[in-house]
Amino acid sequence: EDKVVQSPLSLVVHEGDTVTLNCSYEVTNFRSLLWYKQEKKAPTFLFMLTSSGIEKKSGRLSSILDKKELFSILNITATQTGDSAVYLCAVRAGGGADGLTFGKGTHLIIQP
Amino acid sequence: NAGVTQTPKFQVLKTGQSMTLQCAQDMNHEYMSWYRQDPGMGLRLIHYSVGAGITDQGEVPNGYNVSRSTTEDFPLRLLSAAPSQTSVYFCASSWDRGPPGYGYTFGSGTRLTVV
Repeated sequence: EDKVVQSPLSLVVHEGDTVTLNCSYEVTNFRSLLWYKQEKKAPTFLFMLTSSGIEKKSGRLSSILDKKELFSILNITATQTGDSAVYLCAVRAGGGADGLTFGKGTHLIIQP
Repeated sequence: NAGVTQTPKFQVLKTGQSMTLQCAQDMNHEYMSWYRQDPGMGLRLIHYSVGAGITDQGEVPNGYNVSRSTTEDFPLRLLSAAPSQTSVYFCASSWDRGPPGYGYTFGSGTRLTVV
């Protein structure tokens, strides 16, 4: 059975701090790993990673995948209160028809 | 470009009632899927479809039916609602084998309460 584990489950930091969110996975026939941000509504897409060692970057957010050790990290630098959200990690496996397996998410709270 | 549209946004059902959650996308995506999100459980796949006329079960399919008669629409039917089906339901669509970096697009969700 495919499994995605995120840590920590919750995190409270102060504005300006840098945070690192973790995602480890065990899946058959890995295809891609995706990160989403969810703020009380639908998840919004952040990154999709398919290759090890290639950092994806968007503003203050970045992510990298290690396919040998089966994990990914999501970094957020210079955090702002608007970064408060649940961050979801999901893995797509198999032939592309099996949907996404999600972790339980990391609930990030940025205090002013 | 509306993306993925889900209706209704909120629904209250009595135990035993049936209903259909609607999902439509206008991006010509081959792949569509339904998830439910429960506190502490993350999102779990209910059913998915890789194209018109083709559907398959996900992780938690019991109590739900789907059909895909067109590329655009993927309705989810609750046959006889139970309190355990109280949840937030998300529809998502994607290219099956899309361009690099392209993720799934989610609808805004349907909050369903079964009493």
